[in-house]
This record gives sequence, structure tokens and C-alpha cells, in this order.
Amino acid sequence: ETGVTQTPRHLVMGMTNKKSLKCEQHLGHNAMYWYKQSAKKPLELMFVYNFKEQTENNSVPSRFSPECPNSSHLFLHLHTLQPEDSALYLCASSLNKGSPVGELFFGEGSRLTVL
Amino acid sequence: GEDVEQSLFLSVREGDSSVINCTYTDSSSTYLYWYKQEPGAGLQLLTYIFSNMDMKQDQRLTVLLNKKDKHLSLRIADTQTGDSAIYFCAEKGDYGQNFVFGPGTRLSVLP
Repeated sequence: ETGVTQTPRHLVMGMTNKKSLKCEQHLGHNAMYWYKQSAKKPLELMFVYNFKEQTENNSVPSRFSPECPNSSHLFLHLHTLQPEDSALYLCASSLNKGSPVGELFFGEGSRLTVL
Repeated sequence: GEDVEQSLFLSVREGDSSVINCTYTDSSSTYLYWYKQEPGAGLQLLTYIFSNMDMKQDQRLTVLLNKKDKHLSLRIADTQTGDSAIYFCAEKGDYGQNFVFGPGTRLSVLP
């Protein structure tokens, strides 16, 4: 039990589909992150949310749409994806206020395949 | 920009020591981390070190930091087959959220 739970663990979708990835953290953290892990770029930061506010958008295409309704939940909405978007999508959380170390705690990832 | 580099592969025999190396460019890095990723799983924090430390030991793990050369290493004593994984080096500054990860070193432990 990592404290950060991602669903689904595996997802196969066509290029015209709309799907969502979900992340939930039970650690009382105040920041949540989406990372993309692929063979080309091992760990690529996509989005950062602090206290539900987006503070980082790392030039991610608009076909990826994040949503953070509260500090414990993070979604990644997917639509009209391309085959090159196939990757492992990792969610992470951290406690930044009052904690300079602020290490990241990762979920197990959602393996996405776009056909 | 900031950059973290690691060799991509390392093979060792079971029972031997493994040394995974990492270099970074950001001289303002305050915290340096080692993460482990097992097949089909997310990243798990192994250990971290403050930039004002030279060494940190935690059971079979020893972290050495040469701040002058911006070189970090992770030594795993008595390497076991369960240590086979990808090991990521990462750095960040004080209270920041800009974690910079290396490409990861795939450690293979041979029986």
C-alpha cells in the first residue's frame, strides 16, 4: 500500500475515445503531480497542482486535460490521443508546506495503450 | 538547464556490491534522492541526502555525495535478486517542486 492509488492500472483506447485516469492520495499531502514515463523520456513532468491550483503545465498538448477537485484527488482526462501517447502515466504527491525535503510519493501507474 | 545523468545499465553477481553513479549540473541542489522502480510498479523512495552531507548509510545502502564534482553514488552491499530494478537519481532545491530526474539505471542481478 503506497498511499497513492491509481486507476485503472491498464487502459487501451482508440484515437477517437475519451477516457480518464484517476489518482487518489491518502497521505494528507497538499501537492499532486502527473508524470509520463516512456522509452523516449524516462520521467517527464506534465502537471503540478498545489492546494488544488495548477502551478505547472509543462507544455503538455491540450488533448491531456487535468482536473484537481480537491487535494486528495487528481484526474487526467484524455481525448483524441495519438499512438505516441502510449506510456505509463504516474501520479505522485508530496507535502510541501513545512517540509523542505518534500519527497515525492508515487502511485503504481496507469499503463495506457493508444491504438 | 538542469540536467541529471546516469549510466543506463549495470549487471552484478548476487552477493557482490553494486555502485550506481549519478552526476547533476544544478549547484543549488539542496536535496538529492534515490528512487527504485520495480517492474510494473511506480517509483519508491529509497533514500535521500542533504547537500551539506558527504555520506549517508542505511542498512545495505550507502550514499556518497561529492558536491564539488556534483557526483552522487548509491552503493548496495550484498546485492540480491530482489534488488533488480531501475534506480533513478533526482535532485531539487529548497521547498521547491522542480524535481529533476535522471534517465534511470537498470540494475540486473545475476545468480
